[in-house]
Amino acid sequence: AQTVTQSQPEMSVQEAETVTLSCTYDTSENNYYLFWYKQPPSRQMILVIRQEAYKQQNATENRFSVNFQKAAKSFSLKISDSQLGDTAMYFCAFMTGTGSGGSNYKLTFGKGTLLTVNP
Amino acid sequence: GAVVSQHPSRVICKSGTSVKIECRSLDFQATTMFWYRQFPKQSLMLMATSNEGSKATYEQGVEKDKFLINHASLTLSTLTVTSAHPEDSSFYICSASRGGITDTQYFGPGTRLTVL
Repeated sequence: AQTVTQSQPEMSVQEAETVTLSCTYDTSENNYYLFWYKQPPSRQMILVIRQEAYKQQNATENRFSVNFQKAAKSFSLKISDSQLGDTAMYFCAFMTGTGSGGSNYKLTFGKGTLLTVNP
Repeated sequence: GAVVSQHPSRVICKSGTSVKIECRSLDFQATTMFWYRQFPKQSLMLMATSNEGSKATYEQGVEKDKFLINHASLTLSTLTVTSAHPEDSSFYICSASRGGITDTQYFGPGTRLTVL
């Protein structure tokens, strides 16, 4: 079974500064996908970034980037130039699956890190 | 984009009644839809996975007769909570994916169910 661990229940950062959220996972699979989702107070889950395990290059989306260390099974999220709108719960998630075309791909979520960006 | 809607956004019902929640993919065809439950300040717990035209696959510990899932079309899945009780009160979230090995799940805005 896959497990996802987020060891930081809460974090805070000053506006415009950089913060890194940690995530580790455990799996015996070789092909899988990793995600960071954001859940603001509205509770709408928003995809922040996605990483395919077979890609060595770290994914980047504007101010968001990841540090993917496959051997260490680590997948941290770096938020640069933090903004007040980044305040949210951040969930790290792992997905694997088999087959194609309608097969089931299950997301396993970590417990989340509540990030507060202070003005 | 990949927009998923849910209806209703919140519902209050009496104990013993049934409640239906709809999940729609608005701008793509969703081969697979997922239903999650989220308790306050906790993570999402997968309840079941449904593929269009097939029976849903329920996670261990989820009562399939209590949480009825139908995925009759490529843009609509429904979750019916039958004979709801106060312990069923929770935040229910659906997600949808196009299916296939490279796809991402896109989430609906959630439905808050309160059973009195």
